[in-house]
Amino acid sequence: EDQVTQSPEALRLQEGESSSLNCSYTVSGLRGLFWYRQDPGKGPEFLFTLYSAGEEKEKERLKATLTKKESFLHITAPKPEDSATYLCAFNQAGTALIFGKGTTLSVSS
Amino acid sequence: DAGVTQSPTHLIKTRGQQVTLRCSPKSGHDTVSWYQQALGQGPQFIFQYYEEEERQRGNFPDRFSGHQFPNYSSELNVNALLLGDSALYLCASRVVAAPGYEQYFGPGTRLTVT
Repeated sequence: EDQVTQSPEALRLQEGESSSLNCSYTVSGLRGLFWYRQDPGKGPEFLFTLYSAGEEKEKERLKATLTKKESFLHITAPKPEDSATYLCAFNQAGTALIFGKGTTLSVSS
Repeated sequence: DAGVTQSPTHLIKTRGQQVTLRCSPKSGHDTVSWYQQALGQGPQFIFQYYEEEERQRGNFPDRFSGHQFPNYSSELNVNALLLGDSALYLCASRVVAAPGYEQYFGPGTRLTVT
């Protein structure tokens, strides 16, 4: 069964303390691996799409990487405004996105 | 450039009632998908509309139906509401001819069923 698992469920960091979020997936015929950021009570905000193993993309303090079985979202020197839930999803048989449960990141100053 | 808009923002309904949620896609987008997000969970795909037809459907009962209009806007209808239908309903849009599969989400409609 195609699925995606995110870990950890929650992560608490001090400002400036770098870390990584994990997204493990099992899917046949991956068409894309997506990262979104979601603030409480709001819709997901698109961050990155990765299509093939070895691909990397960066945006400010965030860098997403992709292997054949996992994707990582690396957060370098996070700030309190990076606090949010980060969702990973893959594209399945058309354009439906299959999401993980997310990792809730809290960054304290 | 207007993003995806949804209305209403919040809605409270009683079990057994019917509800209609509305979505306007991002400017230039022609495909609309609907997702349901329960508290603490990731969004779950309900269905997708393109050219005014349902093109793909997730594992949701027939109580969930939709429509897409010629201007690409869309409605989600839910009949015979259950307590378990309480969730954040998200609309996402994309351009079907675009090389990537990125979808852009609206702010959502929070539905509470009592």
